[in-house]
Formats: sequence, C-alpha cells, structure tokens
Amino acid sequence: QTVVTQEPSFSVSPGGTVTLTCGLSSGSVSTNYYPSWYQQTPGQAPRTLIYSTNTRSSGVPNRFSGSILGNKAALTITGAQADDESDYYCLLYMGSGIWVFGGGTKLTVL
Amino acid sequence: QVQLVQSGSELKKPGASVKVSCKASGYTFTSYTMTWVRQAPGQGLECMGWINTNTGNPTYAQGFTGRFVFSLDTSVSTAYLQISSLKAEDTAVYYCARQRAAVGNYYYMDVWGKGTTVTVSS
Repeated sequence: QTVVTQEPSFSVSPGGTVTLTCGLSSGSVSTNYYPSWYQQTPGQAPRTLIYSTNTRSSGVPNRFSGSILGNKAALTITGAQADDESDYYCLLYMGSGIWVFGGGTKLTVL
Repeated sequence: QVQLVQSGSELKKPGASVKVSCKASGYTFTSYTMTWVRQAPGQGLECMGWINTNTGNPTYAQGFTGRFVFSLDTSVSTAYLQISSLKAEDTAVYYCARQRAAVGNYYYMDVWGKGTTVTVSS
C-alpha cells in the first residue's frame, strides 16, 4: 500500500520561509496526483489552502504557495506568521476514487 | 454561504451504533460528492471514503468496509455516516467534506464540516 510521506515536524522563525514536502514511499509525486494542502489548528476543522499543486483556495494569503520540487509536492510559506503555527496535511488523488492523506507536519513558528 | 453542519458529540458504549449527520446548505447538494474523513486522537487525517450524492452510490476506503455505512437524505440535503458494533478504536473526530473533482483538472476537498466527536467507552 502506498504511503504518503511528510516531515513530522518543522520549525520556522517569524518572517522566515519554510518549505514542507509531500512524497511517496514508492515513486514520485507529480501534478497527475493533483496534490492539495490543508491547514489544521488544534480543535478545528481542516482549512483548504492549495489544490491542483499550486492553486490557492479562496481567501488564502499569497504567502502560501504550492509547487513540485524534485519528486515531491511542496508547500512554501513565505514570511511566516505566528498564526501559521498549525498542522499541515497534503492529500493526493491516486486515481480510481482513491484519496490518501500524508501523515501531517506540525509547524512551529518561533 | 456554503456550509456543512454536523451533528453533536456522541458518547457510546462498545457494541452500540452511532449515526453522524452532515447537513449541507448554500449549494445544490446533489451536485457534489461528499467525503468522510476520520481523525483519531492525536493522529492525522484519514479518508474513509465518499458517497455520490446524485446516485447514492458509496465507495469505502480500505479499512472502512463492513461496519461503516454512508447514506443520504437528499430531501433535507444531508449525508450520514453510520458505524455499527462500535469499538474503542473508533473513538475519533469524524469530518464530512465536499469533494471537488473534475477529470484532468482538479481533485480536492473545498468545504469542511466542523467535525463530530465520537467517543466509545464503557
């Protein structure tokens, strides 16, 4: 069974830039997996940030951007703010109605 | 505005059943597939499967067959998740999410319910 991999944790300084990645246990992530990204703060529902690799969802600040870096999908936060401290999940569409979330990355801003 | 309103928290004993509801508003319910997502305490998000709100046809992800049933009442724009023979390991927050899918274009979840906490304990 394919596993979607993410860094368990990451830290960034306020105002800094951080790139979180989303890979596959076997193979490469491409745009054909339509990677999407979700932000979740404790006790809250996920919020959609990015879909189709690099399209920002409505209302999402442009400091959030998505891309493919090498063989992984990537979420970059430029000019990190304190309220960006959250869990971030990627979601890949594997085809045939199968969707798989990554394990999530806990981002600390300090 | 588009929103998904889920039912309140549930406390159930092992072996019981629970039915979680997800009421949609602000859009045509039968135009978008509904996905169910589980999040166990301290864990990540897990896609349980989805239901075609136009046909009522459910699709269950691996690990969510047998005790899990997705259903609809289109007359009240509501999707349901029923879990039978509850176990302690079913303790989790269950989210409904509107699925956006266009072949060759995009696949993602764009609107989320606030979640329903189901606690299974004797």
